[in-house]
Amino acid sequence: NAGVTQTPKFQVLKTGQSMTLQCAQDMNHNSMYWYRQDPGMGLRLIYYSASEGTTDKGEVPNGYNVSRLNKREFSLRLESAAPSQTSVYFCASSDAGELFFGEGSRLTVL
Amino acid sequence: AQKITQTQPGMFVQEKEAVTLDCTYDTSDQSYGLFWYKQPSSGEMIFLIYQGSYDEQNATEGRYSLNFQKARKSANLVISASQLGDSAMYFCAMRINNAGNMLTFGGGTRLMVKP
Repeated sequence: NAGVTQTPKFQVLKTGQSMTLQCAQDMNHNSMYWYRQDPGMGLRLIYYSASEGTTDKGEVPNGYNVSRLNKREFSLRLESAAPSQTSVYFCASSDAGELFFGEGSRLTVL
Repeated sequence: AQKITQTQPGMFVQEKEAVTLDCTYDTSDQSYGLFWYKQPSSGEMIFLIYQGSYDEQNATEGRYSLNFQKARKSANLVISASQLGDSAMYFCAMRINNAGNMLTFGGGTRLMVKP
């Protein structure tokens, strides 16, 4: 029962470094999402992909890029990390029902 | 743009009592869905309950029920017979059905259950 799998679970970066968060789902869902959660706050949508081949900006897209590689995989890239991007990142997937979330990836930018 | 508001940053409830967590939303769309998620200290997001905007009856799932008042644009979560394991963050979320299935979350309420 893998569901939504995110890697890595933890990462420390220096300002200006780049990295990619990987996400894969095995539920054959059409839609996939990337959220960030800052301490004591709710989840804010970074990017989403309503279906394979499409991506759209959410509330806080600046500083990020995404790729919907195929129906299963949706990656989030930070080209030049900044301390303000220190957060917990959640990938999620869904069809018409609720979102299914990964376990989260904790990213620290020094 | 849609907006979700949770006005209670933190709440206490005595074990075995019922508690209501408030959620109000703002949208001009007629077709939408409302969700509640639980996030324990371990960090995972756990789906609790769903209410569609056209559902006439309030949703229930075990000890969870959703008090849906469409005219007031509120979707409060009621937890009956609170347990210590209910201590967690609770998030209300809304999906506009013609907007690519994206969910918008409120800021959350931290619930603490006292023994």
